Amino acid sequence: AQTVTQSQPEMSVQEAETVTLSCTYDTSESDYYLFWYKQPPSRQMILVIRQEAYKQQNATENRFSVNFQKAAKSFSLKISDSQLGDAAMYFCAYRSAEKNNDMRFGAGTRLTVKP
Amino acid sequence: KAGVTQTPRYLIKTRGQQVTLSCSPISGHRSVSWYQQTPGQGLQFLFEYFSETQRNKGNFPGRFSGRQFSNSRSEMNVSTLELGDSALYLCASRPGLAGTDTQYFGPGTRLTVL
Repeated sequence: AQTVTQSQPEMSVQEAETVTLSCTYDTSESDYYLFWYKQPPSRQMILVIRQEAYKQQNATENRFSVNFQKAAKSFSLKISDSQLGDAAMYFCAYRSAEKNNDMRFGAGTRLTVKP
Repeated sequence: KAGVTQTPRYLIKTRGQQVTLSCSPISGHRSVSWYQQTPGQGLQFLFEYFSETQRNKGNFPGRFSGRQFSNSRSEMNVSTLELGDSALYLCASRPGLAGTDTQYFGPGTRLTVL
C-alpha cells in the first residue's frame, strides 16, 4: 500500500522569507499524482498545487513550487515570499493513476508565519 | 459555482447512537469521497461514491456506511457510535474518477461522541 510521510510536524518562517516543506512517499507504481493541500485554521482544505508523475517539469503556482524527485520518491513544497495568510496545516497527498484510486494523505505540517 | 456543502456543521451524540451526515457536491461533480480527520490518525479515507455506486472503501468497520443519490448528494451513516468516532468528517467532490481530477473539500462536520 502506498504511504505518505511528512517528517516535519511543525515549521515556522519569517514573513517574506522562503520555506520548504518535505514529503516522501512509498509506491511501486509508475503513474500517479501528487498534491499539496492547505487547511487554514477552521477553514476548508484547498488545493495548493498538483504534480503528475509522468511530467518531469516541476509544477509552480505563483509563490508555490514543488521539487519532484521521482527516483527518490520525494515531493517537497517551496513557499516563496511567505505571507501571514500562508499559516495553515499543509498536507501532502498521493493518488494512484489506476482505477479505484483513493487519495492517501500525510500526517501534515503545521506552518507558522511570523510577522 | 457553489462549493461543497456539508450539514450539519457540528453534532454531539452519545455512545451507542447513530448519526447521518450529509454532503452536497459541487454542481456537475459525480464523485463524492468521505474522510475522517483526527489529531492522532490524520486524514483517513472512508469511501468514494460515483454514480450512486461505491467505488472504493477504506479500512473502517461496517458501522460506517454511505450512499449516493441520483443528484450526486451523498450521506454517511455511523451506527453504534463509539468515543473514538469523534472526529472531523470531510466530504470532497470531483468531476469524475480521473486521477487528474481535483478534489474540492467541504468545511466538514465536527462530530463529538460523549
